[in-house]
Amino acid sequence: DAGITQSPRHKVTETGTPVTLRCHQTENHRYMYWYRQDPGHGLRLIHYSYGVKDTDKGEVSDGYSVSRSKTEDFLLTLESATSSQTSVYFCAIRGTSGGQETQYFGPGTRLLVL
Amino acid sequence: DQQVKQNSPSLSVQEGRISILNCDYTNSMFDYFLWYKKYPAEGPTFLISISSIKDKNEDGRFTVFLNKSAKHLSLHIVPSQPGDSAVYFCAAHIGSYQLTFGKGTKLSVIP
Repeated sequence: DAGITQSPRHKVTETGTPVTLRCHQTENHRYMYWYRQDPGHGLRLIHYSYGVKDTDKGEVSDGYSVSRSKTEDFLLTLESATSSQTSVYFCAIRGTSGGQETQYFGPGTRLLVL
Repeated sequence: DQQVKQNSPSLSVQEGRISILNCDYTNSMFDYFLWYKKYPAEGPTFLISISSIKDKNEDGRFTVFLNKSAKHLSLHIVPSQPGDSAVYFCAAHIGSYQLTFGKGTKLSVIP
C-alpha cells in the first residue's frame, strides 16, 4: 500500500457541470500522475506533476486541467464534463519496489457523465 | 498509433501450468518496461520490470524476457495459480518516466 487515496470513489454528474477529482498521497513523492482507463484503450496519461505547481500534459489532456498546490494533493478538474469523459480515473505516484522503479496506483474513481 | 501492443485480449491456462503474456512495442527509444496486474475495481499493482540493458529479470514465479531486436517482451508465470487471474498490462517509458500502456490481456487460470 503506497498511501494513495482518491476521492470521490464514485461520481455521477451531468454534461456541462464542473467536476474535481482529488488524489492524496502520504509518501511525499515528487511525481504524481492522472490516468484514465477505458475499454479497448488500457491506461492513458492525462496530466502529470513533477513538483508543487509544476505540471505538464499527457497523451489525452484536452478537456482536463490539474493543480498541485501541496506535495500531497494533485487535483484533476473537468471544467465542463462531457459524456466522452465517462471513465475510470487513476492517480499514481512514482516510487520504487524492491529496487525497481515503478508507479503506484490509487484505487480509482469511477465517473459517469450523463 | 499504438506504441505498446498486447495483441491477445485474453488467455486461459490450467492451474499449475505456465502462463505466457506477450507484448510488442514500436518505439526503439523505450528504455524501461514494466508489467502490472489489475483486479476489477482496484488500481493496477506493479509486478516486475526490466531495463533495456537486460534480457531477463526474475522475481519469484514471475520472469520477464526482453528481446530488443524483435521489440518484444514476455511475462512468464510459473506455476500459474487461480489468484493470478486478472488483467495484465505491459508498459514502457523513455527517460522522463511517462508510462505508455498496452491495452491489457485478461488471464484466466482454471483450477
